[in-house]
Amino acid sequence: KQEVTQIPAALSVPEGENLVLNCSFTDSAIYNLQWFRQDPGKGLTSLLLIQSSQREQTSGRLNASLDKSSGRSTLYIAASQPGDSATYLCVLDTGRRALTFGSGTRLQVQP
Amino acid sequence: NAGVTQTPKFQVLKTGQSMTLQCAQDMNHNSMYWYRQDPGMGLRLIYYSASEGTTDKGEVPNGYNVSRLNKREFSLRLESAAPSQTSVYFCASSYMKQETQYFGPGTRLLVL
Repeated sequence: KQEVTQIPAALSVPEGENLVLNCSFTDSAIYNLQWFRQDPGKGLTSLLLIQSSQREQTSGRLNASLDKSSGRSTLYIAASQPGDSATYLCVLDTGRRALTFGSGTRLQVQP
Repeated sequence: NAGVTQTPKFQVLKTGQSMTLQCAQDMNHNSMYWYRQDPGMGLRLIYYSASEGTTDKGEVPNGYNVSRLNKREFSLRLESAAPSQTSVYFCASSYMKQETQYFGPGTRLLVL
C-alpha cells in the first residue's frame, strides 16, 4: 500500500527565507505527484503537478522536483512571504481508485 | 466561474439524523469526488463518479450514499449519522480522472 510521509510536520521561518518541504513515498509506480496548498478553513488549491515522466515543474517562486527511484519529491519556495503561510500537501496518483494524500507540512512565515 | 461550490458550510446533527451534502461544479468536468478530512489522517476518498451516470466506492464508503444527479451535481447522503462521521467533507472535480482536481471550500459536520 502506498504511504506518503511529509517532513517536517510544521515549519516556521522568517520572511524572505528560501525553504524546502519534503515528501517521501513507498511505491514508485505513480502516474503523477501533486503539491496542494490548504489555507485554514478552506479547500485545497493545486500548486504544481509533475507527471511520472517529468523531473520537475516550476511556477513563479515554486519549484517541485520528483525522483521516483528514491521515492522523493521536494517543494522549493523561494523568497518566502507571509502569504505563503498554509499547509502544503503532497498527493500521489497511482492510478488506483483514490489519490494518496500526505498529512501535510504546516508552514508559518513570520513578517 | 464559481468553480466547485458546497452547501451547507457547517452543520450539526444528532446521532441517527440524516442529511445530504450538496456539491456543484461549473467547469464542465466529467469526474467528481467526495472526501473526508480528519486530523492526522489526511484526506480519504469516500465515493467518486468518473463520469455522469456512474459512481464507485472509495476508501471509506460505509455509512454514505451518493447521487450523480447530472454532470454538474454530486450529492453525498448520510442516512443515519454517527459521531464517527464528524469530519470536514470536501467535494472535488476534474476534467478526467487522472487530471488536477479542483476542491470546494468544505462542509464542517459535527455529529453529537
